[in-house]
Amino acid sequence: DAMVIQNPRYQVTQFGKPVTLSCSQTLNHNVMYWYQQKSSQAPKLLFHYYDKDFNNEADTPDNFQSRRPNTSFCFLDIRSPGLGDAAMYLCATSRGDTNNEQFFGPGTRLTVL
Amino acid sequence: QKEVEQNSGPLSVPEGAIASLNCTYSDRGSQSFFWYRQYSGKSPELIMSIYSNGDKEDGRFTAQLNKASQYVSLLIRDSQPSDSATYLCAVNDDYKLSFGAGTTVTVRA
Repeated sequence: DAMVIQNPRYQVTQFGKPVTLSCSQTLNHNVMYWYQQKSSQAPKLLFHYYDKDFNNEADTPDNFQSRRPNTSFCFLDIRSPGLGDAAMYLCATSRGDTNNEQFFGPGTRLTVL
Repeated sequence: QKEVEQNSGPLSVPEGAIASLNCTYSDRGSQSFFWYRQYSGKSPELIMSIYSNGDKEDGRFTAQLNKASQYVSLLIRDSQPSDSATYLCAVNDDYKLSFGAGTTVTVRA
């Protein structure tokens, strides 16, 4: 089945220790997104790639970076995680067409100690 | 991002009843509208997409769109305990989604 895969599903890191979350997709979608979701809040868009074009949200902290080495994979790098970065990180994809349905992966739960 | 507002929850309905969820949006030019279901601790799951005025039915779910009133709704008929979740309204905005805050639905047996 075509899908969006995220690894790991759970990640524990220490304050200030860099961490990388990964996302892969078999949907061959043009657009890949990274969201942060905290408890009882809506997902908050961090950035997205339309093919190789990177689009950063204005309020995304510099501590968050992303890479998309090819169509299938996208990575979220958190350079120096703080306690406030503990959250669910969601990857989503879309075709990038007019309707732009987005499909989410299962998410990575990040804990910062 | 454009504003999307959902009716405040939580919403509690008895099993077998109709759950009605409402959403309004600020951008009159919006064209694509979505409902996501999110179980606690899980990721959002797309359950309905609607692009034209009127009703769209899929099983026990009906989405309704009224662009003139900038209003989109979701009806869940014959509500089941498995429908207990948070429902997110989302509006497409230049390849990005603007989300409402979500409405938590509890279906009591």
